[in-house]
Amino acid sequence: QVQLLQSGAEVKKPGASVKVSCKASGYTFTAHNMHWVRQAPGKGLEWMGRINPNTGGTNYAQKFQGRVTVTRDTSTSTAYMELNSLRDDDTAFYFCARDAGDHDAFDVWGQGTMVTVSS
Amino acid sequence: QSALTQPASVSGSPGQSINISCTGTSRDIGSYNLVSWYQQYPGRAPKLMIYEVTKRPSGVSDRLSGSKSGNTASLTISGLQAEDEADYYCCSYAGSRTFWVFGGGTKVTVL
Repeated sequence: QVQLLQSGAEVKKPGASVKVSCKASGYTFTAHNMHWVRQAPGKGLEWMGRINPNTGGTNYAQKFQGRVTVTRDTSTSTAYMELNSLRDDDTAFYFCARDAGDHDAFDVWGQGTMVTVSS
Repeated sequence: QSALTQPASVSGSPGQSINISCTGTSRDIGSYNLVSWYQQYPGRAPKLMIYEVTKRPSGVSDRLSGSKSGNTASLTISGLQAEDEADYYCCSYAGSRTFWVFGGGTKVTVL
């Protein structure tokens, strides 16, 4: 079945970087864009960016421009999200989500990765 | 502050119908029929319930329906059941500069 498996929880200090992975299985990795969405504790969802796994092309939310990098490894069907210069308010669950293709919605989600930023 | 505005909470008794509104602008909901809705239980990942304003993915109950008028989209849950108690988020495509925006979420309580 289609599945997105994310890496485990991370604890980082302010100013550090974090890299979260998302391994896809059960479908052709390069056929669907992959998005990253975050959710601070008790808060709503926030779109961060996406990658076209076929071309490597990326788009980012203006809020995260210059601080986030989304990459992929097609040999392992894995997408990555790296966030730099971490601040306390970056503490959140980070989700990868598959683009449904023609329907411009997020049809399959990873289980989420908790990133805690604390000194 | 989220780009799309949803009520913080909506409640209803079993069997009743409820409506969740999602208000955006002419730059997002008003310009694209690309509104989607997600259900999220505590501690779980969101689940796609509605896409392209009105369409349901396979396996999603037909008690859920979506609509849009102008800059406002709506999710209706009819025949409310205990299992519908969750958070619901709307999302809209917002063009090639902003891309996707979410609502702040609505907590649905079944009384």
